[in-house]
Amino acid sequence: KAGVTQTPRYLIKTRGQQVTLSCSPISGHRSVSWYQQTPGQGLQFLFEYFSETQRNKGNFPGRFSGRQFSNSRSEMNVSTLELGDSALYLCASSTYREAGANVLTFGAGSRLTVL
Amino acid sequence: KQEVTQIPAALSVPEGENLVLNCSFTDSAIYNLQWFRQDPGKGLTSLLLIQSSQREQTSGRLNASLDKSSGRSTLYIAASQPGDSATYLCAVIAGQLIWGAGTKLIIKP
Repeated sequence: KAGVTQTPRYLIKTRGQQVTLSCSPISGHRSVSWYQQTPGQGLQFLFEYFSETQRNKGNFPGRFSGRQFSNSRSEMNVSTLELGDSALYLCASSTYREAGANVLTFGAGSRLTVL
Repeated sequence: KQEVTQIPAALSVPEGENLVLNCSFTDSAIYNLQWFRQDPGKGLTSLLLIQSSQREQTSGRLNASLDKSSGRSTLYIAASQPGDSATYLCAVIAGQLIWGAGTKLIIKP
């Protein structure tokens, strides 16, 4: 059974650019959630999707957005990149509607560096 | 506002010792609590999930307890091994996941 796949694994962007990250959940999982991990702030919740609907959103500016497709794959987009957006972006999938209601399976992450 | 604290931030112990990692939270209105481990440069692996109605969960050498009234959870690792070296994070679920900063554990051979 394939795990959660995140692409790309590594990327380098410059300030002002935009980036799109992709997450393919485990087959049959309909809930996908996204997290940002930085040395200074630790892990922070970005947003959560279930059946193409955003169920919850963390305290991030509007430059951070996401969506989920009918096949449960999810993308997140960050526009007008800032140096502080450099982080490991993790996504997780689960079977239940609420991300924390069941065991989460995480991808390996996408490491974004903004220069 | 829910806050999650993990103490200690780092811990180094000899192989074979039993150890306890701590997680405290400020609001007892949680849905459940999960413990994860993270290996350097990698994603997270779920270790144990404790529902709010439960007091503990066990998996192999790991045992996690939950005391909502005191806002505490502990992760007990028995007979530690070098392969247990990782960062251990707890997260409480109350609408969204709120994370602790983690405890970096080093098991010395």
